[in-house]
Amino acid sequence: GAVVSQHPSRVICKSGTSVKIECRSLDFQATTMFWYRQFPKQSLMLMATSNEGSKATYEQGVEKDKFLINHASLTLSTLTVTSAHPEDSSFYICSASRDPETQYFGPGTRLLVL
Amino acid sequence: DQQVKQNSPSLSVQEGRISILNCDYTNSMFDYFLWYKKYPAEGPTFLISISSIKDKNEDGRFTVFLNKSAKHLSLHIVPSQPGDSAVYFCAASDSTGTASKLTFGTGTRLQVTL
Repeated sequence: GAVVSQHPSRVICKSGTSVKIECRSLDFQATTMFWYRQFPKQSLMLMATSNEGSKATYEQGVEKDKFLINHASLTLSTLTVTSAHPEDSSFYICSASRDPETQYFGPGTRLLVL
Repeated sequence: DQQVKQNSPSLSVQEGRISILNCDYTNSMFDYFLWYKKYPAEGPTFLISISSIKDKNEDGRFTVFLNKSAKHLSLHIVPSQPGDSAVYFCAASDSTGTASKLTFGTGTRLQVTL
């Protein structure tokens, strides 16, 4: 159990366009979902924490108007990168929590902005 | 400021021997620690965790040791198997013993050779 999926796994887009990434918990209800970003040779950096039905809590330095997070149900959270630019190219990964003791990660989405 | 550090980017161990992966942290508020394993193109998979009230936790071939005074933890894998070859991430939380708001290290790539 505890499977988390992400879609798409890879996306290439033009600068200025918006990209939506979906994160789903397939076999459990996730009270909390997390979004991370990983640049090459760096660690996973938490971007935001979202709870179903409420606004996401963003980490310092993460623009909430640029990275829109919607946690519409207990099994789905979406991250929309608005007006993407080449510096937004990164590996975006979500995780979901069904208990306090661990987070279950999706496979990640590699975003390339041209 | 890297609060969780994995100073060895890579480690090579012979099959059957012990693998020891190290992690240091600087934030004394961290009270819950986790190890994740990551294969290419997949999300991190939870391995084992330890609360700051303990100094050791064991699960099969995996044992995590915590030295609070040195702000150091280590993951021991005995015996190492070729399938253990992956990137291992250490993560820490200051959310009173839960896995909320994880801070990750940069990872150590373990290669188990035949």
